[in-house]
Amino acid sequence: NAGVTQTPKFQVLKTGQSMTLQCAQDMNHNSMYWYRQDPGMGLRLIYYSASEGTTDKGEVPNGYNVSRLNKREFSLRLESAAPSQTSVYFCASSEVPFTYNEQFFGPGTRLTVL
Amino acid sequence: QKEVEQDPGPLSVPEGAIVSLNCTYSNSAFQYFMWYRQYSRKGPELLMYTYSSGNKEDGRFTAQVDKSSKYISLFIRDSQPSDSATYLCAMSATASYGKLTFGQGTILTVHP
Repeated sequence: NAGVTQTPKFQVLKTGQSMTLQCAQDMNHNSMYWYRQDPGMGLRLIYYSASEGTTDKGEVPNGYNVSRLNKREFSLRLESAAPSQTSVYFCASSEVPFTYNEQFFGPGTRLTVL
Repeated sequence: QKEVEQDPGPLSVPEGAIVSLNCTYSNSAFQYFMWYRQYSRKGPELLMYTYSSGNKEDGRFTAQVDKSSKYISLFIRDSQPSDSATYLCAMSATASYGKLTFGQGTILTVHP
């Protein structure tokens, strides 16, 4: 099992460019999440999908959109990148969305916006 | 004010030391408390979790939760260089659809 995979691993964008970060999990998990991690800020939830067909905003959704393509895949799109979106992005998945749930994280995408 | 505050460190300790990592929180609805470990340039991995108040021990690691004080701790005994990582506390409420709120993370270095 590969667990949670993310592509690309690294990306450099210019201000105003768009891109989509891809995430896939092979654990048959129902819930998927997108976080960003900035120095001194911990992990902050951008969007999540409690189950296939649903998506909801997290703590910092502005400037992002998501698509739950199917049970396996959850993509994050930056329509017009800004330097403030320079960060490390992590995708995660969990079996169920309620109560205690262990979230399994991917290796991250390091994004720089110039 | 953040819902979860974590001592930022960094911490540097000699091998064999006892390490104490701490977080405080303000949201009384938090019921599930977790510690994630993140090695450099990797994704976080769940280390331990506890439900409500109490202690939980797993090998060299002990997690404590004091809901009356809104304070959680992770203790590492006989620390090893392989414990060098960033430790993140995380919390969730029962009805939060699994959403976790993370602390800022503490960078720990254990030197031989």
